[in-house]
Order: sequence, then C-alpha cells, then structure tokens
Amino acid sequence: NAGVIQTPRHKVTGKGQEATLWCEPISGHSAVFWYRQTIVQGLEFLTYFRNQAPIDDSGMPKERFSAQMPNQSHSTLKIQSTQPQDSAVYLCASSFTGGRYFGPGTRLTVL
Amino acid sequence: GDSVTQTEGQVALSEEDFLTIHCNYSASGYPTLFWYVQYPGEGPQLLFRASRDKEKGSSRGFEATYDKGTTSFHLRKASVQESDSAVYYCALRSTEGADRLTFGKGTQLIIQP
Repeated sequence: NAGVIQTPRHKVTGKGQEATLWCEPISGHSAVFWYRQTIVQGLEFLTYFRNQAPIDDSGMPKERFSAQMPNQSHSTLKIQSTQPQDSAVYLCASSFTGGRYFGPGTRLTVL
Repeated sequence: GDSVTQTEGQVALSEEDFLTIHCNYSASGYPTLFWYVQYPGEGPQLLFRASRDKEKGSSRGFEATYDKGTTSFHLRKASVQESDSAVYYCALRSTEGADRLTFGKGTQLIIQP
C-alpha cells in the first residue's frame, strides 16, 4: 500500500500562472479531501468528494480554485491566476471508514 | 460553528519530561475527537480518536481522555523522547455535519536531548 500519492511534491509558479495539483487516493477509499496548510492558518478544509461526487466545497475560495475527481483513482486541485497568498502546502487525504490518511502534500510557492 | 483551540503554539521539553498539550473544543452534541501528529515533510497521521464522554484514546505512550464537562481532550505523555518532536493537531468531527474535520492550529513539540 503506497499510501496517498501527491504530485508534484514542490511547485513554483509565477504570479498569474495556473497550478494543477494531483492526488491519487488509497485504492478502495471512497472519500477524498483537500486541505491547505499554512503557518498562520494551520490546516484549512477546502473541499471533499465521496464516490467521486463533490459533497462539500465550502472551504474553497470562490474564485480561481476548482477541484475535480474524474475517476476513483485521482483528484485534481486547480488554482488559476495564482497569487502570492496562495503559497501553502496543499494536502490530500483519503478515507474509507472515517479516519483520514493524508498524503505528503504539495508545497506551492507563488513568486 | 465548530472550533478547536490548542493553547500552546510551541512546547519545548527535555527527554523524559512529562508532556501536556491542551485542547478544548466547541461543538454541539457528541463530536468525535482526534489527535494527529505531523513529522517534517509528511502529512498528518492519526494518533488516536475518542467518541464518547470519558473514553480514553491512546497510542505510542500518548493518551487523552474525552471530557464533555470541560469540553477538553488534552494530550499527555509521561516521558517524551527526542523522536516525539513533531507538530500535534487536535481535531473534531461533528456529529451533525458532513464528514469533514475541524483542526486546531497545531502545537509544535520540540524535545531537546
């Protein structure tokens, strides 16, 4: 079991560019969650899917952020027109019975 | 809304010291409470959980008891080791909401040899 896989591990973008982050959940897990982690705010919930359907996106900034889960083996988080304040570690987690299994995160740096 | 408060942003101890990290929560009903640990370069990993009043969760020498009266779930360990250095997060899952977790701000534990 490889655990939750996130790629890339590090991404550097220029202000205004687009960033796409990938997550491969643990096989058989029905729920996928996205969180953003910063020193100031800690762990912030963004959105989650259950059985590929979007369930709760209340933590997603309404503009520029979107998430998809086109199949059970991966989910993407896309940030359009990135801004310096988007710099953070983006964590993906999957779940089967309620406990979260987190990936190592993608560190996004917006210059 | 639900919230989790961790009083200490950072705790510095020496090996074999006693550890307490305070966690208080605000939520309706009986939320499930969690402690997660995060090592550098990794995602948080579950230490343990508790879902009923007076239930004690424990793992790797760490323990916490669910106390609905004081709305607390304080993390304790009798004798810390240098390898315990990490960031610890208290979290809750509301019984009324969807399957999302609300995390505290985290406590960085530094153990000096």
